[in-house]
Amino acid sequence: ETGVTQTPRHLVMGMTNKKSLKCEQHLGHNAMYWYKQSAKKPLELMFVYSLEERVENNSVPSRFSPECPNSSHLFLHLHTLQPEDSALYLCASSQDSGSLPTEAFFGQGTRLTVV
Amino acid sequence: AQTVTQSQPEMSVQEAETVTLSCTYDTSESDYYLFWYKQPPSRQMILVIRQEAYKQQNATENRFSVNFQKAAKSFSLKISDSQLGDAAMYFCAYRYTFGNEKLTFGTGTRLTIIP
Repeated sequence: ETGVTQTPRHLVMGMTNKKSLKCEQHLGHNAMYWYKQSAKKPLELMFVYSLEERVENNSVPSRFSPECPNSSHLFLHLHTLQPEDSALYLCASSQDSGSLPTEAFFGQGTRLTVV
Repeated sequence: AQTVTQSQPEMSVQEAETVTLSCTYDTSESDYYLFWYKQPPSRQMILVIRQEAYKQQNATENRFSVNFQKAAKSFSLKISDSQLGDAAMYFCAYRYTFGNEKLTFGTGTRLTIIP
């Protein structure tokens, strides 16, 4: 069992669909993240949750809606996406301990294609 | 704002040889962490090595070592005795020490191992 698990691994959706990405971490961490990875671009941080509260939202369009019901689970709800939203979406977790944080552990990502 | 630059989109090395991947970064902070992550075809980001900025000694993990030049803001990764399993995308990342974790990534270097 990997530390951070993402489902589904692949998703194809139409622009009018609503879908959700799921992330689960089994590491006892207290912070979780969504990143977007597009070709030839740096990973873009989308959302950060620390102790189940959203602490960062990097100007992400409202068609992406995160949810963190508890410290082990993180969702990314998708609706009315655009083709340029096609990318690899990576979830990560870490132990946010102030000045002594751990490194981030990543899931395998969800490859999203918007048609 | 912090930025991380990887100027080598692709690199290749003969199996068993040594290769160095370059990374430079820009920050006004003095306390931070630097990381190298590996992303194999499985897509899962795996931490390779980490360096605390306050440490002068270069970090080493088995065949992986870094050359950390704080004044020059340079953080290169050396892979010795390259193996076929080292083939992957390699990302350099920066994280400020304090506050909520936020990794800033470079655009990555694709490493190919030639048998």
